[in-house]
Amino acid sequence: QITLKESGPTLVNPTQTLTLTCTFSGFSLTTNDVGVGWIRQPPGKALEWLAVIYWDDDKRYSPSLSSRLTITKDTSKNRVVLTMTNMDPVDTATYYCGHSLYSLGNWFDTWGQGTLVTVSS
Amino acid sequence: DIRMTQSPSSVSASVGDRVTITCRASQAVSTWLAWYEQKPGKAPKALIYSASNLQSGVPSRFSGSGSGTDFSLTISGLQPEDSATYYCQQAHTFPITFGQGTRLEVK
Repeated sequence: QITLKESGPTLVNPTQTLTLTCTFSGFSLTTNDVGVGWIRQPPGKALEWLAVIYWDDDKRYSPSLSSRLTITKDTSKNRVVLTMTNMDPVDTATYYCGHSLYSLGNWFDTWGQGTLVTVSS
Repeated sequence: DIRMTQSPSSVSASVGDRVTITCRASQAVSTWLAWYEQKPGKAPKALIYSASNLQSGVPSRFSGSGSGTDFSLTISGLQPEDSATYYCQQAHTFPITFGQGTRLEVK
């Protein structure tokens, strides 16, 4: 059974860097075809894709946020970390991580519960 | 970026009805399209992938169709628990993009 869980701060000051961790079980990021992505959702708004990392360390980013995002994996700890620099109140959102299989396309078959991040001073 | 446009933005229907939600891509995405269901305060749940393939565990009253730029999600025999917001997502080209969502109320 695949599970993912997001963790990180619930409150971030403007201009600070956000670090979120996705801890997963039921699969390995050393296995061919596997990917983990991040998606966010501002309150009352639609989903927005942020980044994805694959088993071979291929990384893709949303072009509108690429200068602020870094995605990495720690295969020994079954974790994927997303950092977002220069946080702004408009970045207030629930952040989700999700599992995908490259060969089936870039969609997410299993999602974490999400973590709400508020950006405010 | 490929823009995904869903219609309608909201719909109300009765238990037992059939509802169709459409999703149009600004460029062809072949069948690289997924549908998700999201209930308030919950994470999205995958329903359909590759336009028409039912994700494991999803009731057969959900079905998807389409290719290229025009897609649809149909829910037959609506149940009260189908009240949710539904999103389409293109999986063809980076950046991955989602539709704006369709809110379904089942009366």
